[in-house]
Amino acid sequence: AQSVTQLDSHVSVSEGTPVLLRCNYSSSYSPSLFWYVQHPNKGLQLLLKYTSAATLVKGINGFEAEFKKSETSFHLTKPSAHMSDAAEYFCVVSDGYSGGGADGLTFGKGTHLIIQP
Amino acid sequence: EPEVTQTPSHQVTQMGQEVILRCVPISNHLYFYWYRQILGQKVEFLVSFYNNEISEKSEIFDDQFSVERPDGSNFTLKIRSTKLEDSAMYFCASIEGTSFTDTQYFGPGTRLTVL
Repeated sequence: AQSVTQLDSHVSVSEGTPVLLRCNYSSSYSPSLFWYVQHPNKGLQLLLKYTSAATLVKGINGFEAEFKKSETSFHLTKPSAHMSDAAEYFCVVSDGYSGGGADGLTFGKGTHLIIQP
Repeated sequence: EPEVTQTPSHQVTQMGQEVILRCVPISNHLYFYWYRQILGQKVEFLVSFYNNEISEKSEIFDDQFSVERPDGSNFTLKIRSTKLEDSAMYFCASIEGTSFTDTQYFGPGTRLTVL
């Protein structure tokens, strides 16, 4: 079974300061890991994904995440926060347990990112 | 850029009524999914669908739920007799390939309110 723990339900940073959203995962297989963002009243948009290639993954809007197998972590970072980054962020795992694309994604509970002016 | 679309954006229904939520996945995508997000809770997987049949389903997806691909473009989720606890945001998603590493593209969601 796979699971995801997002360690912070809310993170508040000032505009222009770094962002760190923490995520730990559990999987019996070699997982793929994703970060999705959800702006108010919008759908889920992919920020970035890890699929066993480079451990440092760069995504859209200046976000990046590092896969650390020894720590079972996939933390999301951004050097400088922008007001438009305010949203809900979901860490997501998929390990293909049932084969192919059959398995659904397993979501974390989400981290609400607040940007202070 | 192609995107997944869902209709309606908001559906209000009375308890015990049947509802059908509609999705149009990205053209040429092969796997389709439904998820739900109850207010304040995490997004949960309901069902995956491939080659005109269910591939995998979660414990949530009981006999009250069914999915169908009635034509070459639509993918529907039917709830036979809605309950108050079915109130949630329902998301449809699709992938281009057949691997768990493929990116799932999500629609904007349908907010279902059961009164």
